[in-house]
Amino acid sequence: KNEVEQSPQNLTAQEGEFITINCSYSVGISALHWLQQHPGGGIVSLFMLSSGKKKHGRLIATINIQEKHSSLHITASHPRDSAVYICAVSGGGADGLTFGKGTHLIIQP
Amino acid sequence: DGGITQSPKYLFRKEGQNVTLSCEQNLNHDAMYWYRQDPGQGLRLIYYSQIVNDFQKGDIAEGYSVSREKKESFPLTVTSAQKNPTAFYLCASSTRTGVGANVLTFGAGSRLTVL
Repeated sequence: KNEVEQSPQNLTAQEGEFITINCSYSVGISALHWLQQHPGGGIVSLFMLSSGKKKHGRLIATINIQEKHSSLHITASHPRDSAVYICAVSGGGADGLTFGKGTHLIIQP
Repeated sequence: DGGITQSPKYLFRKEGQNVTLSCEQNLNHDAMYWYRQDPGQGLRLIYYSQIVNDFQKGDIAEGYSVSREKKESFPLTVTSAQKNPTAFYLCASSTRTGVGANVLTFGAGSRLTVL
């Protein structure tokens, strides 16, 4: 079974800072997902990627398949970016995703 | 708008009682999943279903039961056999094949507290 590790577990930064959250996994995958969970508990999917890089607004996700590593970057961070960011991987099986424990991000004004 | 509806949002239960959490989706997704989330832990898979009238145990199925009588509905029953049921429960769905497979749409969650 895949092991998904995220770092850091907690991150507090000032508004405007460049944020990086890291994710590593132990076994080859078909895709990696970045998810966002707000304090109310709902989860939304930010990215699904299997190679290279994707960008959406101020969010950028990269993946290095050889190194089994992905990063999520937030440029010009804002207090509304405060949330838990979760990395998850899929191996192509019917049982869905394997999740990391999440990174709790707080952006202070 | 299409989405997943979970109810209730908050639920309190006495020890020894069974409770059922509802999950309904109008996305026409074949696959549905139930996850449990505890503080400091990643989401853990309880049960999943790929088609109507079929479901499979996940990593932590003990003390839980599900049914999949309709494509839109995947209720989860937390039985009295579940030793530590206080948790946040999330339902999700996805297409079964193609680009959207494993791109999960989540419900808002149900928080169960055992008194």
